[in-house]
Amino acid sequence: GESVGLHLPTLSVQEGDNSIINCAYSNSASDYFIWYKQESGKGPQFIIDIRSNMDKRQGQRVTVLLNKTVKHLSLQIAATQPGDSAVYFCAENGYGGSQGNLIFGKGTKLSVKP
Amino acid sequence: DGGITQSPKYLFRKEGQNVTLSCEQNLNHDAMYWYRQDPGQGLRLIYYSQIVNDFQKGDIAEGYSVSREKKESFPLTVTSAQKNPTAFYLCASSPGTGRGNIQYFGAGTRLSVL
Repeated sequence: GESVGLHLPTLSVQEGDNSIINCAYSNSASDYFIWYKQESGKGPQFIIDIRSNMDKRQGQRVTVLLNKTVKHLSLQIAATQPGDSAVYFCAENGYGGSQGNLIFGKGTKLSVKP
Repeated sequence: DGGITQSPKYLFRKEGQNVTLSCEQNLNHDAMYWYRQDPGQGLRLIYYSQIVNDFQKGDIAEGYSVSREKKESFPLTVTSAQKNPTAFYLCASSPGTGRGNIQYFGAGTRLSVL
């Protein structure tokens, strides 16, 4: 999950296993969420998004689950591959602040062991 | 190759010097953004622009300036007033503003102080 400070939470999984990355968001009024993947030295890459009127959304090998009751978001990656190794960020687009702006979590580092 | 182009990839700043980071997009997006990323941290919003000739301060605008004279270009100047400029700078764009607009990122510029 997300945390404060310089040390990113790290998730280490075996190649072929499923990965679950968690994110707690702050604003109960947030109604849109995005997951990004950032490889070392590169910009974040869009993975999947979900609106607050949904509990689940599936993409190719990825599933996002949204639990509004506890303000929790998770990203599930099926059959994790070495190319999935990266830092994963969740972002919320909530009320308050400037329209259209995203609030990013601090990220989780996923390491895939061959 | 469509997308967002940031240049240079690496930039060094001397004491008291202003430096400008370039961001160009050919996606015909209205909105553009600048973020700062420090090691082990999430993205923090510096400035954003919803439309040409208009821009707004983000959460950490002090020591930075921007312009938006053309739709496709959103340069960021790191001024000498920014006392801790060493960071990874990311530019993003989105089709519009408001919820549901995915932000797409460039590859970033890494700025260091000599």
